[in-house]
Formats: sequence, structure tokens, C-alpha cells
Amino acid sequence: KQEVTQIPAALSVPEGENLVLNCSFTDSAIYNLQWFRQDPGKGLTSLLLIQSSQREQTSGRLNASLDKSSGRSTLYIAASQPGDSATYLCAVTGVTGGFKTIFGAGTRLFVKA
Amino acid sequence: DVKVTQSSRYLVKRTGEKVFLECVQDMDHENMFWYRQDPGLGLRLIYFSYDVKMKEKGDIPEGYSVSREKKERFSLILESASTNQTSMYLCASSELGAGGMPYEQYFGPGTRLTVT
Repeated sequence: KQEVTQIPAALSVPEGENLVLNCSFTDSAIYNLQWFRQDPGKGLTSLLLIQSSQREQTSGRLNASLDKSSGRSTLYIAASQPGDSATYLCAVTGVTGGFKTIFGAGTRLFVKA
Repeated sequence: DVKVTQSSRYLVKRTGEKVFLECVQDMDHENMFWYRQDPGLGLRLIYFSYDVKMKEKGDIPEGYSVSREKKERFSLILESASTNQTSMYLCASSELGAGGMPYEQYFGPGTRLTVT
């Protein structure tokens, strides 16, 4: 059974710092991995999708990498801003087990001005 | 831009009531999903649908049913609401990828349901 873990659970950084959020998964037979942002009380906003055949994806200040063999993904945020404060979730869709997507518990990020 | 809308942002219902949560997407996506999100438990899949009138149970289908009569609309039904169904409900949609797997998922704003 796929398990997705995100470390750290919470992170507080000063504005302008570069940071890395980590996601690990137990079953490497994945179809894709997706990173989301969630603001308090709101839905999830898709940030980046990495297909299993890809190593990384970039969007603006965000870069996500995928290492299937080690069961790890990282989300790199460059030059963090207070507006980046939110919870970041990773989600893995596996090849086995049907259409199910398994979500991590998230990393709560606070960027101090 | 993909848009997924949910019928209500906040809903308060009484125990035993039948509750309907509606979700509409405007991108002609084949797949639609209903999740609930609870503190400490994360997001859990209730039901999903990969085509009109098709549905599959997720991890926690007990106490829920779904309906998909049109491709753009996916409804979640709480047959007899109970206090343990107080939660944030999130709808999502995605294209059908290779091999039937879901492609990128897009979420609605969520419905915060309170059952008293």
C-alpha cells in the first residue's frame, strides 16, 4: 500500500530564502506526482505535475524533481516571499490499485517579511 | 483555465438530513473525484467517476453515494447525515491519461459541511 510522507511538517523562513520541501513515497510504481498549494480554508491549487518518465518540472520560482528509484520528490522554492505562505501537498498516483491518488499530510510554510 | 465549481462554500445540516453536494467542471474532463479533508487524516478519496454513469468506490465510501448523469457534473450524496461527516469536501477533475490513469487533477474551492 502506497504511503506518502512529507518532511518537515512545518517550516518558517525569512523572506528571500531558498527552500526545499520533501516528499517520499513507498511504492515506486507511480504514474505521476503532483505538487499542490492550499491556503487556509480553500481548495488545492495545482503547482506542478511530474510524469513518471520525467526528472523535473519548473514553473517560475518553483522547481520539482522526481527520483522514482529512491521514492523521493523535492519542491524547490527560490527567493521565497510572504505570499508563498501556505500548506504544500504532494500527491502520488500509482500504476497499481486503480485510479487512486495518495496525498501526503503537507508541509505548512510560513515566510516572514 | 480549468474551472471546478462547488455549489456551496459553507453548509450546515442537521443529523439525519439528506445532503447533496454538487460539483461542476468546464473542461470536458472524463474523471471526477470527491475527497474529504480532515485535520490529522489528510485527503481521503470517497468516490470517483471515469465516465458518465460510471463510479468507483474510494477508500471511505460508507455513508455516501454519488451520481454522474452528465459529464460536467458529479454529485455527492449523504443519505443520512451524521456528525462524523462534518468535514471539508473537495471535488476534483482530470483528463483521462494513458492507460486510464488520471492526468493533472484540478480542485474546486471546497465545501465546509457542518452536521449538528
